[in-house]
Amino acid sequence: AQSVTQLGSHVSVSEGALVLLRCNYSSSVPPYLFWYVQYPNQGLQLLLKYTTGATLVKGINGFEAEFKKSETSFHLTKPSAHMSDAAEYFCAVKGLTGGGNKLTFGTGTQLKVEL
Amino acid sequence: EAGVAQSPRYKIIEKRQSVAFWCNPISGHATLYWYQQILGQGPKLLIQFQNNGVVDDSQLPKDRFSAERLKGVDSTLKIQPAKLEDSAVYLCASSLMGTSGAPIDTGELFFGEGSRLTVL
Repeated sequence: AQSVTQLGSHVSVSEGALVLLRCNYSSSVPPYLFWYVQYPNQGLQLLLKYTTGATLVKGINGFEAEFKKSETSFHLTKPSAHMSDAAEYFCAVKGLTGGGNKLTFGTGTQLKVEL
Repeated sequence: EAGVAQSPRYKIIEKRQSVAFWCNPISGHATLYWYQQILGQGPKLLIQFQNNGVVDDSQLPKDRFSAERLKGVDSTLKIQPAKLEDSAVYLCASSLMGTSGAPIDTGELFFGEGSRLTVL
């Protein structure tokens, strides 16, 4: 069975500082990996995804993530935080075994950006 | 292109009452999902349809929850009777998986804004 662990349910950074949100996964086969963002009272929006190929993937709003198989990690980063980045971020893994297109989510990390 | 539509956005009911949520996926998307998101937790898959067939309902509490996707387009999720622990946001999503003629599916799900249920 696949699972996702997000370290830190709350992360606070200053505007302009580096954003680092951590995600580790477990999967018996190389998975597809996703980061979704959820703004208050809205649904989830895809930030970026890793399927195959280049392990460093770039997403919207200046975010990027690197797939590290040896560390089973897919951490999300952004060089300089903006106030508009304040939201909840979910890491998700899609296994390629079993039935369906099942996406398993982590518990989320609430990002706060302070002046 | 219109996104995933859900209604109602908010619903407050008392325990033991019933409630229904509606979802209209992105046009042409064969696969539709219902997720439950309890406050402080990540979304949990309740049920997945491909066209009008159920692919996965292993985490659906079938004694009180039911869902249908007649005609393979829009879907309804019903809870009867509701319990306090059903208070959550119910998210509907759709994807290209199983869509005839679609490009290779990479697993991306497209979510609606959700229906927030409060059970008193």
